Amino acid sequence: SQQGEEDPQALSIQEGENATMNCSYKTSINNLQWYRQNSGRGLVHLILIRSNEREKHSGRLRVTLDTSKKSSSLLITASRAADTASYFCATPPGGYQKVTFGIGTKLQVIP
Amino acid sequence: EPEVTQTPSHQVTQMGQEVILRCVPISNHLYFYWYRQILGQKVEFLVSFYNNEISEKSEIFDDQFSVERPDGSNFTLKIRSTKLEDSAMYFCASRAQGGDSPLHFGNGTRLTVT
Repeated sequence: SQQGEEDPQALSIQEGENATMNCSYKTSINNLQWYRQNSGRGLVHLILIRSNEREKHSGRLRVTLDTSKKSSSLLITASRAADTASYFCATPPGGYQKVTFGIGTKLQVIP
Repeated sequence: EPEVTQTPSHQVTQMGQEVILRCVPISNHLYFYWYRQILGQKVEFLVSFYNNEISEKSEIFDDQFSVERPDGSNFTLKIRSTKLEDSAMYFCASRAQGGDSPLHFGNGTRLTVT
């Protein structure tokens, strides 16, 4: 299993601004998933993009995937204070194999 | 929406004592996991469990750790003789069959070893 590497490690923005965070990975993937972790809580799955997709939307979330560059980005539009959390990408290999996580991007949205 | 539940939410124990952390995964899920997160650090994989046996484990998951699915609904993590460095949040997760299935996490058990 490979883990994604998120960038930047920390991001601080004003409420209402857009937040963009990036993920890079090393080997071919089936899909890429983004998760959010609020402080002291479990990770919550946000969105999944398959390897044959280039862009996906869910509410205020937009995910892009560039398999040629082995990278993905997560855009949160019109951020809210409640979006303050750490965000992680993961590239699950499938089946029972382990899913590993990087250090994440710690997003702070200032009201 | 079904969710993964973990008990207790906080466990304090003395060094050398045994602890059992409990999880109830989502009922139709087939793959089960334990993760650990030391304060301020990343979420680390401990072990995965499928078809009533361990399918993969990390270097952290040494002989002091064991997992069990005793009754078809609960999934437990036992630490036989806790050490100070075992203090962490422990998260259980489960996943349905299918390569696109995401992990569903519980809200964790905060283990404090004194």
